[in-house]
Amino acid sequence: GQQLNQSPQSMFIQEGEDVSMNCTSSSIFNTWLWYKQDPGEGPVLLIALYKAGELTSNGRLTAQFGITRKDSFLNISASIPSDVGIYFCAGHRSNNLFFGTGTRLTVIP
Amino acid sequence: NAGVTQTPKFRILKIGQSMTLQCTQDMNHNYMYWYRQDPGMGLKLIYYSVGAGITDKGEVPNGYNVSRSTTEDFPLRLELAAPSQTSVYFCASRPYGQGNYGYTFGSGTRLTVV
Repeated sequence: GQQLNQSPQSMFIQEGEDVSMNCTSSSIFNTWLWYKQDPGEGPVLLIALYKAGELTSNGRLTAQFGITRKDSFLNISASIPSDVGIYFCAGHRSNNLFFGTGTRLTVIP
Repeated sequence: NAGVTQTPKFRILKIGQSMTLQCTQDMNHNYMYWYRQDPGMGLKLIYYSVGAGITDKGEVPNGYNVSRSTTEDFPLRLELAAPSQTSVYFCASRPYGQGNYGYTFGSGTRLTVV
């Protein structure tokens, strides 16, 4: 199957700090998405990227679609306690979303 | 709108038993999906449907069956439960159209096979 590698696997940060995580793939995707999953819930879409090189923001979140179409990163600025959760990247191809293994974020107040 | 609704939320099955996981959406989405999520992992696609009457296999379809008789409902059937099917199952949907890849997920069914 497709391999999407996310890093880091987990992060512990102080409230107010900025966060950066990334995702790399062995193959090309035409669409990259970032999801957040809270405990006991399904993933919720944060940002969708449709074009190589695209940089998109959603509030304190910024994501970029890599030029090679094999990578993407997500930045969260000025973290707050409710940012806690697992962040997944996903690449879309052929009616399927291929998910990364997730980055678990802990925000220390 | 309720979005994507999954039932039950939790279930324990004995090896060899069968069950149906229910999924319904009220957004008139054409596409529906079933994923499973094993501990510490991302989601993997089991089956998907592009519309009523049409289904297709995903990455990990073995041991499962689906049907799509209406736009709203997309049940997932386990015929002979095995411990390897212990997982959290998510149903998702999205509208038809290029660029509409923001899937809406249900809150999941946690299944344990003992």
